[in-house]
Amino acid sequence: QKEVEQDPGPLSVPEGAIVSLNCTYSNSAFQYFMWYRQYSRKGPELLMYTYSSGNKEDGRFTAQVDKSSKYISLFIRDSQPSDSATYLCAMSGNTDKLIFGTGTRLQVFP
Amino acid sequence: NAGVTQTPKFQVLKTGQSMTLQCAQDMNHNSMYWYRQDPGMGLRLIYYSASEGTTDKGEVPNGYNVSRLNKREFSLRLESAAPSQTSVYFCASSEVLVQPQHFGDGTRLSIL
Repeated sequence: QKEVEQDPGPLSVPEGAIVSLNCTYSNSAFQYFMWYRQYSRKGPELLMYTYSSGNKEDGRFTAQVDKSSKYISLFIRDSQPSDSATYLCAMSGNTDKLIFGTGTRLQVFP
Repeated sequence: NAGVTQTPKFQVLKTGQSMTLQCAQDMNHNSMYWYRQDPGMGLRLIYYSASEGTTDKGEVPNGYNVSRLNKREFSLRLESAAPSQTSVYFCASSEVLVQPQHFGDGTRLSIL
């Protein structure tokens, strides 16, 4: 079993939809949680960064961490075609490097 | 502000040839990483350097070597390229190991 599991998709939604992307993990020591967005032929770019449990909102994006269930989510409101990309979750404990999920491919069609 | 710069962007090699991929960051980060990304496999860590003067193996180190030349630069060397090393290679850096990583735009490497 991988430390971080992420559904590869693809996830295809119409413009304006609410998108929910999720990751589960097995290591209860994870404290730092991130979401990256990767456009085709580009490197991953940091989208959201949270510490421990709770929610964080940034514009149309909301990151949610549920440590009791070992489950993190990224919500995208009012999705746009420009949101079409691969989304990777990443996480780490207090002393070690990040562990990445394999990524979920999202396509938002007009 | 360039961030993480990788060179070259594209390269085609023949089996058995050697090559060095270059990476430089201008964010004064302590930690640097090399990943490969293959379809359906996600990012796989090849080597990393937690701080200047140290390097450690990641998940898939076989067939690769690295050099942390100074705080800014971290190179990846393929001594004898094999077709299985055809991939997109990403370099990344972070302030310290647990902090978010910042990525370059990758080197697309094909080995024939």
